Amino acid sequence: KAGVTQTPRYLIKTRGQQVTLSCSPISGHRSVSWYQQTPGQGLQFLFEYFSETQRNKGNFPGRFSGRQFSNSRSEMNVSTLELGDSALYLCASSFSGDTEAFFGQGTRLTVV
Amino acid sequence: ILNVEQSPQSLHVQEGDSTNFTCSFPSSNFYALHWYRWETAKSPEALFVMTLNGDEKKKGRISATLNTKEGYSYLYIKGSQPEDSATYLCASTDVGGFKTIFGAGTRLFVKA
Repeated sequence: KAGVTQTPRYLIKTRGQQVTLSCSPISGHRSVSWYQQTPGQGLQFLFEYFSETQRNKGNFPGRFSGRQFSNSRSEMNVSTLELGDSALYLCASSFSGDTEAFFGQGTRLTVV
Repeated sequence: ILNVEQSPQSLHVQEGDSTNFTCSFPSSNFYALHWYRWETAKSPEALFVMTLNGDEKKKGRISATLNTKEGYSYLYIKGSQPEDSATYLCASTDVGGFKTIFGAGTRLFVKA
């Protein structure tokens, strides 16, 4: 069975632009969580979606948003990009949010 | 907000040494504790998910214990090998599975 797929793998954007990242979970998984990892930091929780509903959100500014579609695929959007948004963005899918999570390979975003 | 802490931050051992790391987490609203292994340029890989106080899980040379009353978990690696070199992450999921908070990880270096 296919794993978690994130696209694109790498992205370079300019300050002020916006970006959309995509995450396709493992078939049958309804929970998708997003995380940001910056150099020297652990994984910071962005938000979690389950059945198209955002159930929880981390401490990130409103420029970070997301959504989940009926097929459980999820997108994350960052508007008005800042240099500090350069990071590895990981998504993880699980059956219900509290079970074993499987990670995608991440999207490496560089803001210049 | 959950606060998950891991120690030590990094660890250098010789091949054949046994080692252990600590993960501490708030015990209120606790549902599950996850351990992941994260190798450079790869996705985090799930090692264990534990929910019950006193749980002990084992996979090959790696084992983990859980104390939910005092809010800590230990990960043990017996006879470390160079291929065990990775970052070991723990994460705590709250009741309902809405939010999983990761610790900053323990970076293990095993020298041959």
